[in-house]
Parts: sequence; structure tokens; C-alpha cells
Amino acid sequence: KQEVTQIPAALSVPEGENLVLNCSFTDSAIYNLQWFRQDPGKGLTSLLLIQSSQREQTSGRLNASLDKSSGRSTLYIAASQPGDSATYLCAVTKAAGNKLTFGGGTRVLVKP
Amino acid sequence: GAVVSQHPSRVICKSGTSVKIECRSLDFQATTMFWYRQFPKQSLMLMATSNEGSKATYEQGVEKDKFLINHASLTLSTLTVTSAHPEDSSFYICSPLQRGGGQETQYFGPGTRLLVL
Repeated sequence: KQEVTQIPAALSVPEGENLVLNCSFTDSAIYNLQWFRQDPGKGLTSLLLIQSSQREQTSGRLNASLDKSSGRSTLYIAASQPGDSATYLCAVTKAAGNKLTFGGGTRVLVKP
Repeated sequence: GAVVSQHPSRVICKSGTSVKIECRSLDFQATTMFWYRQFPKQSLMLMATSNEGSKATYEQGVEKDKFLINHASLTLSTLTVTSAHPEDSSFYICSPLQRGGGQETQYFGPGTRLLVL
């Protein structure tokens, strides 16, 4: 059974610092991995999707890496801003169109 | 991106009553729908997967007679929490799957917060 773990569970940084969020999964036979953002009481916003054959994806200040063999992904957010405060979730799926298995999330607070 | 709506966005009900949550994919057809549940400060847990026109497949530990899922059309799926109890209070999120062009993309609804008194 796939298990996804996110460390740390919570993170507080001053504005301008870079954020590093970690995600690990127990079964390396994944199809893809996604990073999501969730604001309090809201749904999910997809940030980045990495296919199993890829090693990283970038979008603006966000960069996500994937090391499938070791079961790890890292989300980097450069030059953090207060608006980046949210919960960040990673999720994996083992096949196209299959369910997502989510990690517990990392709650991020960026202090002005 | 695709638009997914959920109604209601929040609902408060008395213990023992039933609550229906609607999920609509407004600009695409979804043959598959995932329903997730999220307890406070926890992650999303899959409850069930439904395919249009067929019975839903429930995850272990999720009672199919308590959480009724109807996926009668390609743009609408409903989740009914029957005889709700306080422990059913949670955030329910639907996730329709869009297939096309050789790709599958999961979108997420904005969620429904259920509070059972």
C-alpha cells in the first residue's frame, strides 16, 4: 500500500526566504506526482505535475524535483511572499486516471 | 482550466438527517469521479470512485450504505450522507477526471464543509 509522507508538517519563515518542502513515498512505481496548494477551507489548486519519467518541473518561483528510485520529491519556492502562506500537498498516482494518494501536507506561514 | 462546482459550499445539519452534495463539471464530461474526505488538519482520503452509469467502488472502511454516490450523468455526481452523525463532520471534495487527447487530468471541486450537530 502506497504511503506518502510530508516533512515538515509545518513551516514558518520570514518573507524572502526560500522554502523547501519534502515529500516521500514508499512505492516507487508511480505514474506521476503532483504538488497542490490548499488555502484554508478551500479546494485544491494544482501547482506542478511531474511525470515518472521526468526529474523536475518549473513554474515561475516554483520548482519541483522527483527522484523516483529513492521515493522523494522536493518543492522549492524561491523568495517566499506572505501570499505563499497555505498548505502544500503532494500526491502520487500509480496509473493514468487512478486515484491520488496524498501526503499529510505542510502548512506554510510566510511572515512579512 | 476546467471548472468544477460543488453545492452547497457549507451545510449544517442535525444528527440523523441526510445531506446531499452535488458536484458538477461545468465545461467537460467526466466519466470517472473521485470523492475525497478531509478531516481538520489532515490530508485528503479517498472515499470512493464512481464511473458514469455504474456502481461506485468504495475504499476500505467507507460504508457504501451510508455514503450514497450517484453518477448518473457525465457532468453531475452526488454524494449523500445518510443519517449523518457528528463524526461525519468533514470537508468533502469531489474530483472529476477528464480524459482526452491521450491524457487524464483530475480536477477538484471547491469542497463542501459539513457540520453535523
